[in-house]
Amino acid sequence: AQSVAQPEDQVNVAEGNPLTVKCTYSVSGNPYLFWYVQYPNRGLQFLLKYITGDNLVKGSYGFEAEFNKSQTSFHLKKPSALVSDSALYFCAVRPTFENTGTASKLTFGTGTRLQVTL
Amino acid sequence: EAGVAQSPRYKIIEKRQSVAFWCNPISGHATLYWYQQILGQGPKLLIQFQNNGVVDDSQLPKDRFSAERLKGVDSTLKIQPAKLEDSAVYLCASSSHRPGAEAFFGQGTRLTVV
Repeated sequence: AQSVAQPEDQVNVAEGNPLTVKCTYSVSGNPYLFWYVQYPNRGLQFLLKYITGDNLVKGSYGFEAEFNKSQTSFHLKKPSALVSDSALYFCAVRPTFENTGTASKLTFGTGTRLQVTL
Repeated sequence: EAGVAQSPRYKIIEKRQSVAFWCNPISGHATLYWYQQILGQGPKLLIQFQNNGVVDDSQLPKDRFSAERLKGVDSTLKIQPAKLEDSAVYLCASSSHRPGAEAFFGQGTRLTVV
């Protein structure tokens, strides 16, 4: 069965400092990996994804994530945090089912609350 | 491009009552998902449709939950009868059939069962 682990319930960082939100996954075969952000009383908003190719992917609002196959990780990073980045962040995985024409199951982690302070 | 539409935004019902949620996905998206998000937890997949067929409903409590996607477009999720532990936000999402396509989420329906 596929799964996602986000080991930190909360990450605290000062504005201007770099941030990292950790994610590890378990899936049969190769993964598609995603990061989403959730603001209060809102749905999930897509940030970035890894499908194939370059292990470093760039997304919205200056966020990036690095895929590491040997460590089965997909950590979210940003060089300089903003107070407005404070939100709940979710990592998600789906296995690649090639040539079936059917989207595979999308599984989310439990989320990490990012708190950026002045 | 219009996003995923859900209604209602909020619903309060008494336990043992029934409730239904509606979702209109992004036009042309073949895949539709219903997730349950309990406060403080990550979204849990209840059911996934591909067009009007069910791809996965392994975590749907079928004794009380049901979902349908008629004509492969809109979808409804029903709970009957509701329990206190059903209090959660119910999120609908859709994605295209392309490999690796991201899912787009609606704003969700917050259900409170009292």
